Amino acid sequence: KAGVTQTPRYLIKTRGQQVTLSCSPISGHRSVSWYQQTPGQGLQFLFEYFSETQRNKGNFPGRFSGRQFSNSRSEMNVSTLELGDSALYLCASSPNPGQYNEQFFGPGTRLTVL
Amino acid sequence: AQSVTQLGSHVSVSEGALVLLRCNYSSSVPPYLFWYVQYPNQGLQLLLKYTTGATLVKGINGFEAEFKKSETSFHLTKPSAHMSDAAEYFCAVSELSGNTPLVFGKGTRLSVIA
Repeated sequence: KAGVTQTPRYLIKTRGQQVTLSCSPISGHRSVSWYQQTPGQGLQFLFEYFSETQRNKGNFPGRFSGRQFSNSRSEMNVSTLELGDSALYLCASSPNPGQYNEQFFGPGTRLTVL
Repeated sequence: AQSVTQLGSHVSVSEGALVLLRCNYSSSVPPYLFWYVQYPNQGLQLLLKYTTGATLVKGINGFEAEFKKSETSFHLTKPSAHMSDAAEYFCAVSELSGNTPLVFGKGTRLSVIA
């Protein structure tokens, strides 16, 4: 069974641009969560999507958004990029919503904002 | 609010020595507790988790952890360190039977000296 896949693995953008990251969950998993990892703040929960709806959200500004498609694939978008958005963005999938104890993580997308 | 404290941002041990990584948590309800490992440029891999039942939890790669409610601790141990154990380790907590997003500690980088 293939694991969680994230594309692209690396991305370089400049301040003010926007970026879209993609996540494909494990086959059969219907819930996708996103986390941001930075040296200063550590690992922080961004949001969770299930059935094409955001069902939980962390404490991040509205510049961070996401969506989920009918095949459970998810994208997250960051608009008006800031230097502080440079981070490793991790996606995790679980079979059902709210099953954070059953999450599997992808390899992440490393975003660098110049 | 739940929180996790990992004592020591960097731990260094000799190959073959005991590995002890410390984790203390704060939670108003019975927690679910996790240890993850992250190798360079990779995502998070679950080492072990405590949900309910036996307080001594055995995980992959010879790691184990013991849930001590009275001490609010969930320390990770391995009897004999191997060079391949060098990585970043994260402790995390979830509440409500794993139905709240994971809250992570800041991480402990483990170095293994030959």
